Amino acid sequence: DQQVKQNSPSLSVQEGRISILNCDYTNSMFDYFLWYKKYPAEGPTFLISISSIKDKNEDGRFTVFLNKSAKHLSLHIVPSQPGDSAVYFCAASDGQGGSEKLVFGKGTKLTVNP
Amino acid sequence: NAGVTQTPKFQVLKTGQSMTLQCAQDMNHEYMSWYRQDPGMGLRLIHYSVGAGITDQGEVPNGYNVSRSTTEDFPLRLLSAAPSQTSVYFCASSYSGTGRTEAFFGQGTRLTVV
Repeated sequence: DQQVKQNSPSLSVQEGRISILNCDYTNSMFDYFLWYKKYPAEGPTFLISISSIKDKNEDGRFTVFLNKSAKHLSLHIVPSQPGDSAVYFCAASDGQGGSEKLVFGKGTKLTVNP
Repeated sequence: NAGVTQTPKFQVLKTGQSMTLQCAQDMNHEYMSWYRQDPGMGLRLIHYSVGAGITDQGEVPNGYNVSRSTTEDFPLRLLSAAPSQTSVYFCASSYSGTGRTEAFFGQGTRLTVV
């Protein structure tokens, strides 16, 4: 059973608008969440993370929101740029270690149209 | 700064052959991991290591062996390749100190088993 779910396989937005990518999780032991961006034929690159003691974390155009009661997190990209077009993975880690045992969602392919 | 380096980038194997995927990191990270990514799937953890001499199984360990003799290297061995092991393999490393940090990924090895 999937512990981390990204229910939207794809998302298309216009340049300059907001992109919102969603992620749900089922394991209440997860306490650290990460978003990765992946271009074709490259490895995932880290974007932003959030600890379960916070409900929001910002880094430039990227903001992650965490709703622990709903077991839901979202990544907001404002404004969206064509270079943001990639697959975005949500990942989670439990409190038993660091980031050596990440559980990933299936990813959402974001397309930002000029 | 090389980060996480994987070799080879591409490999074609015949069913039953064995091979080793190499992974090296120069960030002095204690934690290292191997993931595989299949079409339409997120990354799934194969094996991980929390330090030299210490390894453990992830979600999909069957058909793979690992060992960790140094902090820098974490090779993944396919004992007898099967078509089901056709996938893209990613190695990752992460910091093990206090505080939670992200995992850094290599560029991947695309393996085809015929």
